[in-house]
Amino acid sequence: EAGVTQFPSHSVIEKGQTVTLRCDPISGHDNLYWYRRVMGKEIKFLLHFVKESKQDESGMPNNRFLAERTGGTYSTLKVQPAELEDSGVYFCASSPRGISTDTQYFGPGTRLTVL
Amino acid sequence: AQSVAQPEDQVNVAEGNPLTVKCTYSVSGNPYLFWYVQYPNRGLQFLLKYITGDNLVKGSYGFEAEFNKSQTSFHLKKPSALVSDSALYFCAVSDHGSSNTGKLIFGQGTTLQVKP
Repeated sequence: EAGVTQFPSHSVIEKGQTVTLRCDPISGHDNLYWYRRVMGKEIKFLLHFVKESKQDESGMPNNRFLAERTGGTYSTLKVQPAELEDSGVYFCASSPRGISTDTQYFGPGTRLTVL
Repeated sequence: AQSVAQPEDQVNVAEGNPLTVKCTYSVSGNPYLFWYVQYPNRGLQFLLKYITGDNLVKGSYGFEAEFNKSQTSFHLKKPSALVSDSALYFCAVSDHGSSNTGKLIFGQGTTLQVKP
């Protein structure tokens, strides 16, 4: 069974540019989460999809971030325009039921560097 | 608000010695606790979790964790460390407030360095 995959593994862009990150969850997992780790700090929640619907987007930092999950399969996270403080590692995770006792399975992350 | 603290940025241990990576938590209600490990250039890998029941939880790669309700702790342990255990370890608690969506709240991470 394939795990969670993320693309690209690393992205380097200039301030003001746009970047789109992609996450493919484990097949059959309706629940998809995005997290971010900035500057060696703790990993922070960004948002949670149940199928194609945003269940919780309380962690999205501002309106420069747009997440989508059309069709309830893969998800994209677009940053437009990117700022220096957006640099960090973006993780995606998926789980089958989306409840508090579920294990979330993480992808390898996308390291975003904004220059 | 729910939170997790990992008081040590780095833990150093000699190969073959027991290791402990500390984690304390603050939650309202019953805590659901997780440990993840990140090896260099890899993603987060699930190690173990505590939901209910026995306070000693066994997980992958010989790791275990002890849930202590009175001390609000969930320390990660291994009886005999390996050099290959050197990695970044994250403790997390599941936010099971009114939404019960399972989002995780992480500690800052602890780097474990096992020396030969």
